[in-house]
Amino acid sequence: KQEVTQIPAALSVPEGENLVLNCSFTDSAIYNLQWFRQDPGKGLTSLLLIQSSQREQTSGRLNASLDKSSGRSTLYIAASQPGDSATYLCAVVCGVDTGRRALTFGSGTRLQVQP
Amino acid sequence: DAGVIQSPRHEVTEMGQEVTLRCKPISGHNSLFWYRQTMMRGLELLIYFNNNVPIDDSGMPEDRFSAKMPNASFSTLKIQPSEPRDSAVYFCASSFQGAGNQPQHFGDGTRLSIL
Repeated sequence: KQEVTQIPAALSVPEGENLVLNCSFTDSAIYNLQWFRQDPGKGLTSLLLIQSSQREQTSGRLNASLDKSSGRSTLYIAASQPGDSATYLCAVVCGVDTGRRALTFGSGTRLQVQP
Repeated sequence: DAGVIQSPRHEVTEMGQEVTLRCKPISGHNSLFWYRQTMMRGLELLIYFNNNVPIDDSGMPEDRFSAKMPNASFSTLKIQPSEPRDSAVYFCASSFQGAGNQPQHFGDGTRLSIL
């Protein structure tokens, strides 16, 4: 059974810092990996999706990498801002050959960017 | 563009009552997912439909839970009878599953409280 772990569980940084959030998964046979952001009391906003054949994806100040063989992904946030404060969730789609496309989530990293 | 629409946003009801949660996926999406989020267990898949057909219902807790997708634009998740341990935030997500990878888009969720 796939397990997704996110470290750290919580992170507080001053505004302007570059930071890295970590995600690891136990079964490397993934279809894709997705990073989400969740604000308190809100739904999930998709940030980046990395296909299993890709190594990284970039969107603005965000860069996500994927190393399937080691079962790891990182989300890099450049020049952090108070508006980046949220919980960041990593999720993988398993079942390369079964057609199952449901996400298995990590428990998230709660980020606080201090002004 | 309208995102995934869930209703109601909040539901408070007494133990033993029937609860029906509703979801309208993004137009053109052919996959629909129901997830549940709790503090203890995080985000977990309940059931997943592809082209209106249930593909994976292994996450449905027990017979009290049922889900339907009568057409491509509507799905329901029903709990009967409800119990206090069903209290959680229930999310619906949709995506287009075709030849390529597409991200899942989430609704704002239904916050369910069973007294």
